[in-house]
Amino acid sequence: KAGVTQTPRYLIKTRGQQVTLSCSPISGHRSVSWYQQTPGQGLQFLFEYFSETQRNKGNFPGRFSGRQFSNSRSEMNVSTLELGDSALYLCASSLLNTVANTEAFFGQGTRLTVV
Amino acid sequence: DAKTTQPNSMESNEEEPVHLPCNHSTISGTDYIHWYRQLPSQGPEYVIHGLTSNVNNRMASLAIAEDRKSSTLILHRATLRDAAVYYCILRVAGNQFYFGTGTSLTVIP
Repeated sequence: KAGVTQTPRYLIKTRGQQVTLSCSPISGHRSVSWYQQTPGQGLQFLFEYFSETQRNKGNFPGRFSGRQFSNSRSEMNVSTLELGDSALYLCASSLLNTVANTEAFFGQGTRLTVV
Repeated sequence: DAKTTQPNSMESNEEEPVHLPCNHSTISGTDYIHWYRQLPSQGPEYVIHGLTSNVNNRMASLAIAEDRKSSTLILHRATLRDAAVYYCILRVAGNQFYFGTGTSLTVIP
């Protein structure tokens, strides 16, 4: 069974540009959530999608957005990149989003560097 | 969102048991206690979770206090591969986790 796949693994962008990151969940999983990890702020929740609908959103500016497709694959987009957006972006896949009694599976992340 | 408090770092000798504590005094009745760990340059990895009763799996044991305001992750024999940051998380319904700062575990050979 394939794990959570995030692409690309590494990315370098320039300030002001926009970027799209992709996450393919485990087959059959319908819930995908995204996290930003930085040395200063740790792991912070960005948003969660289930069946193509955003269910929850963390405390991030509107430059951060996402979507989920009918096959449960998810993308997140960051527009007008800032240096502070440099981080490891992680996604997690879970079978359902209504039950806390299940484990989530994380991808290896996309390392974004903004220069 | 309920918060968890963990020591910033702990050390253990290899092949000895490790007890990683977590306080979650504001836990509600429906919050599950989850533990994940993150090895360097990897995404978090599930370790164990529970609600009220102690839990065991191949990786670890989870001891939950009777009032559920604290829990302890137990690694029975620490190995060098167990060196990681361990996160104690309270998870309500939904695929969203609010991570604290975690405990960085160092295993000494």
